[in-house]
Amino acid sequence: DAGVTQSPTHLIKTRGQHVTLRCSPISGHKSVSWYQQVLGQGPQFIFQYYEKEERGRGNFPDRFSARQFPNYSSELNVNALLLGDSALYLCASSQWTGYAVQETQYFGPGTRLLVL
Amino acid sequence: AQTVTQSQPEMSVQEAETVTLSCTYDTSESNYYLFWYKQPPSRQMILVIRQEAYKQQNATENRFSVNFQKAAKSFSLKISDSQLGDTAMYFCAFTPQGGSEKLVFGKGTKLTVNP
Repeated sequence: DAGVTQSPTHLIKTRGQHVTLRCSPISGHKSVSWYQQVLGQGPQFIFQYYEKEERGRGNFPDRFSARQFPNYSSELNVNALLLGDSALYLCASSQWTGYAVQETQYFGPGTRLLVL
Repeated sequence: AQTVTQSQPEMSVQEAETVTLSCTYDTSESNYYLFWYKQPPSRQMILVIRQEAYKQQNATENRFSVNFQKAAKSFSLKISDSQLGDTAMYFCAFTPQGGSEKLVFGKGTKLTVNP
């Protein structure tokens, strides 16, 4: 079975531009989460979407937004890019259903974003 | 606030030996889950092992095992018979039960296995 896929793998943007990152979850997974990993740090939670609804939001500015489509794929959008947005953006999917058990999250390879 | 602390930025071990990576966490939750993830130089984050806080028995996965001390809020990872392929960044992560899937990660420990 295919794992979590992300596109593009690398991206270079300039300050002030916007960017859209895409993620396809593992087949059968309805929950998608986004993380930002700055070089030398652990990932930081940005968003979680389940059944097209936002179920969690991290401490990120409103320049960051996301959505989930009927096929459970997801997009992360970042507007008005800053130099500090340069990072590896990771997508993870799981079989989470909102009930008591926390399912394991499986990560994609990430999108490396460089803002100049 | 929920935090995860990995106090060892870097560690090294000889091939075939055993190494233990430390992790402590802070939470007021009573039910939660703990994970160790491995991130090799290729960057794909891979689950190593998970532990449910309500389970007293320490989780094991082949050469990987944990020492979970709930009262001390400690969750260390032991790697036995280290292999060159174990070279990677190791992240300890925490998530409370219910609500959302937010994982809180530590800053990671860079493990190098030497031949």
